[in-house]
Amino acid sequence: EAEVAQSPRYKITEKSQAVAFWCDPISGHATLYWYRQILGQGPELLVQFQDESVVDDSQLPKDRFSAERLKGVDSTLKIQPAELGDSAMYLCASKASGYNEQFFGPGTRLTVL
Amino acid sequence: SQQGEEDPQALSIQEGENATMNCSYKTSINNLQWYRQNSGRGLVHLILIRSNEREKHSGRLRVTLDTSKKSSSLLITASRAADTASYFCATDGQGAQKLVFGQGTRLTINP
Repeated sequence: EAEVAQSPRYKITEKSQAVAFWCDPISGHATLYWYRQILGQGPELLVQFQDESVVDDSQLPKDRFSAERLKGVDSTLKIQPAELGDSAMYLCASKASGYNEQFFGPGTRLTVL
Repeated sequence: SQQGEEDPQALSIQEGENATMNCSYKTSINNLQWYRQNSGRGLVHLILIRSNEREKHSGRLRVTLDTSKKSSSLLITASRAADTASYFCATDGQGAQKLVFGQGTRLTINP
C-alpha cells in the first residue's frame, strides 16, 4: 500500500541551528501539505503545494521557515535558525487531484534544546 | 489558527460502550472530515461528510452534520481497545482546498 514517507522520524537540535525535514508523497499526488502539530493540539497548516507551486504559505513564519518542492514530487521543509518554540511534530500529507482525503506521513518529532 | 472546538477534550469508556465526540466550527464548509491519530503517529482519514449531507455511516462509525448549528458528531459503536487514539475533525472551507483541524478528543478504551 502506498504511503507518505518522512525523514528523519526524530530530530534533536540546539536553538539557532538549522534543521531540514524531507517528505516523499504518494506517487501521483499533486497536492502536498506541511503541518505543524504542537503536543495536545490539532495540526496547523504551514504550507500547501500544488505540483511545484506554493498555493498557501500564509501561516509559514517566513523569517525562519522555508519550503520547496522543486520537481513537484518530494519536498523539503527547513528551519533556520531553530527556536525553542519550534519543538513540535511536523507532518507531511498528500492528496490526489479531485479527491478530498489527505494521506499523512508518520511525522518528524523535533525537539529544540 | 484552529477552526473550532472539540468536546470533550478527553473521554474514557469501557470496551463495548459507545463513544460520542462533538465538533463545532465557525465558517461555511464544503465538507467535514474526521481523522484518527494513534500516539506519536500520523493521522488516518476515517470519514467525510459533505455540507449537503446530514448523516453518514461507515462500519462502526456514524457521523452527523448540522450546518445550521455549525456542528458535527462522531459516534463509535461497540468500542474496542484498538480505538484508543485522538480523534480530530477537520473542515474543508468553500474554495479553500485545505483542512482546518480542531483541537481533538483523546479517547481511551478500557478493557
